[in-house]
Amino acid sequence: GDSVTQMEGPVTLSEEAFLTINCTYTATGYPSLFWYVQYPGEGLQLLLKATKADDKGSNKGFEATYRKETTSFHLEKGSVQVSDSAVYFCALIPGNRDDKIIFGKGTRLHILP
Amino acid sequence: DSGVTQTPKHLITATGQRVTLRCSPRSGDLSVYWYQQSLDQGLQFLIQYYNGEERAKGNILERFSAQQFPDLHSELNLSSLELGDSALYFCASSLQGATDTQYFGPGTRLTVL
Repeated sequence: GDSVTQMEGPVTLSEEAFLTINCTYTATGYPSLFWYVQYPGEGLQLLLKATKADDKGSNKGFEATYRKETTSFHLEKGSVQVSDSAVYFCALIPGNRDDKIIFGKGTRLHILP
Repeated sequence: DSGVTQTPKHLITATGQRVTLRCSPRSGDLSVYWYQQSLDQGLQFLIQYYNGEERAKGNILERFSAQQFPDLHSELNLSSLELGDSALYFCASSLQGATDTQYFGPGTRLTVL
């Protein structure tokens, strides 16, 4: 079945470091891909999305490119800040008109000042 | 503030009991989604309603049920509660379907003793 696998955390980085959080997926058809962020004590917020192959989603300095050939949607940021500390979830919606959203297990990111 | 409200914020109850969680979507959004977040299961999609009708079903137990009312608010009913039902329950809303941006509420933390 459809699934999302993302790197296990926690990930600890120093401020201004380069960030990559890996995400790979398994899906039939052509899914839409998402990254959500959950700050401490809050609900999830959509960070970025891509709906077709080679699309790049970007927001707040974060980027992710929909790679169909490697079934990946890795999240990157060139220079992280302490305020980026949160849990990041990769997710997909299958491309078969099924509205179920499938989340990865989440990656906790901790940025040190 | 996402515009999605959930009540109550916290709920403590005993095994075997029944509780109702309430969600008011953002103004204009027709779809409402329910999610369960726990440490062992991660974030699980439970169910989606669109304009009063059930649209998609995820890993929702038979002891759980939901509905969306004509004013578009939604309720999630959890019955015969077990210790393992202790979790954070999120509601989200979107304009139409799941590929539209979902806006999450702050969640209801349920503790079953």
